[in-house]
Amino acid sequence: KAGVTQTPRYLIKTRGQQVTLSCSPISGHRSVSWYQQTPGQGLQFLFEYFSETQRNKGNFPGRFSGRQFSNSRSEMNVSTLELGDSALYLCASSSRQGGTDTQYFGPGTRLTVL
Amino acid sequence: DAKTTQPPSMDCAEGRAANLPCNHSTISGNEYVYWYRQIHSQGPQYIIHGLKNNETNEMASLIITEDRKSSTLILPHATLRDTAVYYCIVEQAGSARQLTFGSGTQLTVLP
Repeated sequence: KAGVTQTPRYLIKTRGQQVTLSCSPISGHRSVSWYQQTPGQGLQFLFEYFSETQRNKGNFPGRFSGRQFSNSRSEMNVSTLELGDSALYLCASSSRQGGTDTQYFGPGTRLTVL
Repeated sequence: DAKTTQPPSMDCAEGRAANLPCNHSTISGNEYVYWYRQIHSQGPQYIIHGLKNNETNEMASLIITEDRKSSTLILPHATLRDTAVYYCIVEQAGSARQLTFGSGTQLTVLP
């Protein structure tokens, strides 16, 4: 099976712009979670989608949003970019095994805000 | 906040077993122990998870103490490619899709 794919891999934006990142989960996986990784805050959970519905949300401002399509592909959007949004954005799809879910991460999108 | 405590760094000689400890003294009865690792600038990689019993797969073994307050991840024959940050995470099964990552352990495998 192909792994989780994320596009684009690298992105440079300027403050005030908005950005959309894409994630394609492993075939058959219906849950997609998004994380932000920065040197200062580490890996932090953004939100999770399952069957086109947001099920959980982390502690991030409303500028961060997402959606999921019927084929389980997901996008996340960040509006009015700030310098502090520079980060590695990771998505993960999940499968159920051993009584719980295990997450499979994509390679990430490296966002730089200038 | 992360519910686990890990040493910030460890070294291991290539070919030797790497034993990575994790303390989770406040773990609840319905919480699993998960291990992920992240090689520099790549996405985290799932390694193994367990609830009460020791677990083994093709990558590693997970040893959980009887009181479940600590665990050890064992890489039986470490290679240079195992150099990574290793995260020990404790979560309920229903929260396994919204993991709380701590600082992890930077494992460096030395030639």
